Amino acid sequence: DSGVTQTPKHLITATGQRVTLRCSPRSGDLSVYWYQQSLDQGLQFLIQYYNGEERAKGNILERFSAQQFPDLHSELNLSSLELGDSALYFCASSVLEGAAETQYFGPGTRLLVL
Amino acid sequence: GENVEQHPSTLSVQEGDSAVIKCTYSDSASNYFPWYKQELGKRPQLIIDIRSNVGEKKDQRIAVTLNKTAKHFSLHITETQPEDSAVYFCAAHLGRLYFGRGTQLTVWP
Repeated sequence: DSGVTQTPKHLITATGQRVTLRCSPRSGDLSVYWYQQSLDQGLQFLIQYYNGEERAKGNILERFSAQQFPDLHSELNLSSLELGDSALYFCASSVLEGAAETQYFGPGTRLLVL
Repeated sequence: GENVEQHPSTLSVQEGDSAVIKCTYSDSASNYFPWYKQELGKRPQLIIDIRSNVGEKKDQRIAVTLNKTAKHFSLHITETQPEDSAVYFCAAHLGRLYFGRGTQLTVWP
């Protein structure tokens, strides 16, 4: 167990819908990262937050947004869902921003869009 | 940003043999290189890492080597076991982690 929690574990929804994925970082970690992993694909970096502020953006679609709250948990919002959004979504956390240190991954949320 | 290339994409070995996975990176400012193991449907888990001031690091059957001049680093697994079968990701840190595309390692009993 990495100490990073994600809910829900599984999510099944329909095209056009909106969902929210939640992540709680390890105690003491200020940075949260979101990744998308499609079938047989690598880890695609979406976005990073540090202590409530957006720090870096990757290949995140405009239909997707995220935020980090004062208690440091983060939410990833996916809207106008398409079939191609079906994937595993991981969040990871680390203590510092931009520091050369380990990221610890949560168990992931498996999203299926039908 | 950084560009990380990982090879091979698939690797099959017999139990007891060694496995080597290689990664290259593009920016010499990258300073931290972790390796993650991901079993099917599970989270990526850190198995070993190396910092830019070290050339080699070993942890039991796993070792990582770093060549800063050539900008490449490698994962070495000796005496492979079926439970080593997984996808392995390398990464380079330059402000954030940049991941390779992964290597599917299969160890046949």
